[in-house]
Amino acid sequence: AQKITQTQPGMFVQEKEAVTLDCTYDTSDPSYGLFWYKQPSSGEMIFLIYQGSYDQQNATEGRYSLNFQKARKSANLVISASQLGDSAMYFCAMSPPYNAGNMLTFGGGTRLMVKP
Amino acid sequence: EAQVTQNPRYLITVTGKKLTVTCSQNMNHEYMSWYRQDPGLGLRQIYYSMNVEVTDKGDVPEGYKVSRKEKRNFPLILESPSPNQTSLYFCASSPLGGVGGANVLTFGAGSRLTVL
Repeated sequence: AQKITQTQPGMFVQEKEAVTLDCTYDTSDPSYGLFWYKQPSSGEMIFLIYQGSYDQQNATEGRYSLNFQKARKSANLVISASQLGDSAMYFCAMSPPYNAGNMLTFGGGTRLMVKP
Repeated sequence: EAQVTQNPRYLITVTGKKLTVTCSQNMNHEYMSWYRQDPGLGLRQIYYSMNVEVTDKGDVPEGYKVSRKEKRNFPLILESPSPNQTSLYFCASSPLGGVGGANVLTFGAGSRLTVL
């Protein structure tokens, strides 16, 4: 069975600074996908970034990057130059092999608060 | 606009009164799924469907029913709601058959249900 753990229930960051949100996972499958979603206070789930277990390079999407350390089974999200609009819940999620992004297992989430 | 539409967005009901949360997507996606979100637990999958007339249980299916008679619709049915089903519910959809991050889930806006 797959398991995702986010150990930071909440954290603060100063505007314009970088922040790392932790995510560790557990699986015995060699092939899997890792995702990060953002949930602002309005409630919708917004896809941010994807990393495949066989991808050689860490994924990046604008100010978001995924620090993928396969041996440690970690997939931390790095947000550079934080903005007030980054204040939200962030969820790490994992998909089983060959199932791409559908059947996600989610972590408990981290609430990020950006201070002006 | 490509989207997943859920209704109602907010509902307060009483124990035992049957209710249905509708979900419709306009992207011709094969895959649809229901999640519930509870504090500290992230999102947990209730049911999913790979195509019309094909449904399967997720991690927390007890107390719920679904149907997939048409490709675009995937209603969630609570036959006899109980207070422990008070939660935020999300419907999501995606295509099938892609690889890697191709099948990213698109989420609806969420339905907040309170069972008294």
